[in-house]
Amino acid sequence: GENVEQHPSTLSVQEGDSAVIKCTYSDSASNYFPWYKQELGKRPQLIIDIRSNVGEKKDQRIAVTLNKTAKHFSLHITETQPEDSAVYFCAASDANAGKSTFGDGTTLTVKP
Amino acid sequence: ETGVTQTPRHLVMGMTNKKSLKCEQHLGHNAMYWYKQSAKKPLELMFVYNFKEQTENNSVPSRFSPECPNSSHLFLHLHTLQPEDSALYLCASSSKGTGGETQYFGPGTRLLVL
Repeated sequence: GENVEQHPSTLSVQEGDSAVIKCTYSDSASNYFPWYKQELGKRPQLIIDIRSNVGEKKDQRIAVTLNKTAKHFSLHITETQPEDSAVYFCAASDANAGKSTFGDGTTLTVKP
Repeated sequence: ETGVTQTPRHLVMGMTNKKSLKCEQHLGHNAMYWYKQSAKKPLELMFVYNFKEQTENNSVPSRFSPECPNSSHLFLHLHTLQPEDSALYLCASSSKGTGGETQYFGPGTRLLVL
């Protein structure tokens, strides 16, 4: 089955700096890669996703890049703000598998 | 948010009790999921239901028994749980369980087993 590794497990940055979280996956059949943000005491929510036919996707201060050959994808947050502090989960899924495999999460802390 | 709701939000039970968790989605989705979230394993898939049929059981102990009477409702029946089962139980739904679409999560049930 699919195996997703996420790094780092914790990340602390100064407000205004950039943050990068990386994930690797094992199953070359995976073709959908969402990122979820979970604020303290709240439910995980999708913030951005990318499909395997695209190399990069941006939405304001967040972007995701995908390298299918190397089987890794990354979340980039620019101009970080304290409200970006949360746990971020990456996931990989194969449209035929019927499920997503999640990474173990990254706790991001943005210091004012 | 009212897309995916879960009740109860908090539950304390003894090891000999029987209780049920309920999840309801109002998004017209056909797939529903149960996840366990703990410090040990942040998002651990338990069960997947697709059009009311169970399509995934991720080696979950039999003391957890899911039920999906229709595409909008999902239950998790609990009996003779262990203290290590204490965790946040998250329900999620998606348009169809093909793996290639966004999952919408409920707020979770915080379970404590004494």
